[in-house]
Amino acid sequence: QQQVKQSPQSLIVQKGGISIINCAYENTAFDYFPWYQQFPGKGPALLIAIRPDVSEKKEGRFTISFNKSAKQFSLHIMDSQPGDSATYFCAAPASGSARQLTFGSGTQLTVLP
Amino acid sequence: EPEVTQTPSHQVTQMGQEVILRCVPISNHLYFYWYRQILGQKVEFLVSFYNNEISEKSEIFDDQFSVERPDGSNFTLKIRSTKLEDSAMYFCASRRGGEAYEQYFGPGTRLTVT
Repeated sequence: QQQVKQSPQSLIVQKGGISIINCAYENTAFDYFPWYQQFPGKGPALLIAIRPDVSEKKEGRFTISFNKSAKQFSLHIMDSQPGDSATYFCAAPASGSARQLTFGSGTQLTVLP
Repeated sequence: EPEVTQTPSHQVTQMGQEVILRCVPISNHLYFYWYRQILGQKVEFLVSFYNNEISEKSEIFDDQFSVERPDGSNFTLKIRSTKLEDSAMYFCASRRGGEAYEQYFGPGTRLTVT
């Protein structure tokens, strides 16, 4: 069974700071790595995703870095804002045709004003 | 922008009762999923559905669970005899298919079993 290990469990950052969340995976068949953002009482919303043929992808203040040799990928939130306060999940799809997602345990981010 | 919708937003039921959770996936999507999230925990996969049949299911998805796509738009999850431990948020998700790996989640149904 695929495993995705996420850290830290919680993170507190000052407004304007950089938030960094890390994930490690075990199954080398993973070929797509999304990050989801979840606000309390809401469903996970796809934030940004990367394919392993690139080492980095940036969308606005959000950047995914991918290290294939270390089997790790991370989410960087630049200029963190209080509105970014949410739970962030990394995920990876199974190798079958259904591509169901295995989620990390989540990181609760709090950005202080 | 198309989105996945789910009803009801909150369902309270007594232990042993049957519940049906409903979802309307994004219209041109081909893969449909149910996930659940127990309060404060991670999102867990239950089942995937493609071409009118289950394509994958987890060990959580036992004989008490079933899924159905009764028409061209709805996708349902039925729990036949609810247990206290079924209390969770249930999320429906859909994916277009092929090389489009992105899954889009609905807002969830909070199921409370008393």
